[in-house]
Amino acid sequence: AQSVTQLDSQVPVFEEAPVELRCNYSSSVSVYLFWYVQYPNQGLQLLLKYLSGSTLVKGINGFEAEFNKSQTSFHLRKPSVHISDTAEYFCAVPHTGGFKTIFGAGTRLFVKA
Amino acid sequence: GAGVSQSPRYKVAKRGQDVALRCDPISGHVSLFWYQQALGQGPEFLTYFQNEAQLDKSGLPSDRFFAERPEGSVSTLKIQRTQQEDSAVYLCASSSHPGLYEQYFGPGTRLTVT
Repeated sequence: AQSVTQLDSQVPVFEEAPVELRCNYSSSVSVYLFWYVQYPNQGLQLLLKYLSGSTLVKGINGFEAEFNKSQTSFHLRKPSVHISDTAEYFCAVPHTGGFKTIFGAGTRLFVKA
Repeated sequence: GAGVSQSPRYKVAKRGQDVALRCDPISGHVSLFWYQQALGQGPEFLTYFQNEAQLDKSGLPSDRFFAERPEGSVSTLKIQRTQQEDSAVYLCASSSHPGLYEQYFGPGTRLTVT
């Protein structure tokens, strides 16, 4: 069965510091991978996606992620965070053989001044 | 353009009451998903529509949960005889493609069962 593990439930970081939010997935087949962001009292918004091709994917708001098949990881990175990046971040993988998308439990990013 | 909208944004129900949650997807979007998000958790898949056809309802937790999309646009998630464990945020998402592509989410309906 497919699963998504986000290794950190909360990540506090100072403004302008770099950040990495970790995501590992399990799948025996080719995968698509997504990162979504959820700001308070809002729905989820797509940050970036990996479908195929280059393993380094660039998304909105300066975020990027790298697909690593051997380590089954899709970690999200940003070289310099802003206060406005404070939000919940979800890694997700579509379930093969059906229509559901499996989400990780989320990582809450706190950016401090 | 208009995004996905959901109503009501907040709903308080007494245990045992029936509730109906509405989702207006982005116009023309073929795919529509419903998710349940418990506090501090990621969204959990409930059901999927492609146009008016409900192709996957494997995530509905019990027969008290029912979803419909009769004309292939607006969708309603109905919960009968609500229980306290139904308290959660219910998210709707739509996509322009069938199957598993980028989804556009609504703001959710926060259901509290007392």
